[in-house]
Amino acid sequence: DAKTTQPPSMDCAEGRAANLPCNHSTISGNEYVYWYRQIHSQGPQYIIHGLKNNETNEMASLIITEDRKSSTLILPHATLRDTAVYYCIVRLMTTDSWGKLQFGAGTQVVVTP
Amino acid sequence: ETGVTQTPRHLVMGMTNKKSLKCEQHLGHNAMYWYKQSAKKPLELMFVYSLEERVENNSVPSRFSPECPNSSHLFLHLHTLQPEDSALYLCASSQARGTGNEQYFGPGTRLTVT
Repeated sequence: DAKTTQPPSMDCAEGRAANLPCNHSTISGNEYVYWYRQIHSQGPQYIIHGLKNNETNEMASLIITEDRKSSTLILPHATLRDTAVYYCIVRLMTTDSWGKLQFGAGTQVVVTP
Repeated sequence: ETGVTQTPRHLVMGMTNKKSLKCEQHLGHNAMYWYKQSAKKPLELMFVYSLEERVENNSVPSRFSPECPNSSHLFLHLHTLQPEDSALYLCASSQARGTGNEQYFGPGTRLTVT
């Protein structure tokens, strides 16, 4: 699986949008971009994933560049409960496999009042 | 119960003890996973069961023994552990195949080996 590069930490003001970058310059055509987050000492929580197109759900938006070498996770209105480690993962997915998730160090996001 | 549950949530055991961690998923999934998260380290995949068959064993020491009796239950049997095995042990589940089969995690068992 392709490796990802994320900043180790970010601060964000409550109520503002949080834009979390991720570089995955060696991504291949059948690898998806996944985002998870882990609030302190809890299990990781799935946020969103995408292949080529931008995606949006009730939690966040995912913007993938046209060359797919980088992406940005957007939390539109950050709250204190969004303080967590955010993981960007590139995942090889095929119709006949379970698709390994390789977690890195992630980005520690701290939302401040 | 909904989602993925794990018991116990906290466990303290001596190096000569035998204990088991339990995971149960209520999502209708058919793949289950054990991960280990040591302090200041990324999550490490330990074992994967897909359709009740072990498909991944990431060079895990034999003192950790997984068991998957059916698609809803997963156990991790522990014996003669070392202090460095102290960690958060996380269980996850997903559909076994197909694109977009995101993994759902349980809350974890915090294990301390004394």
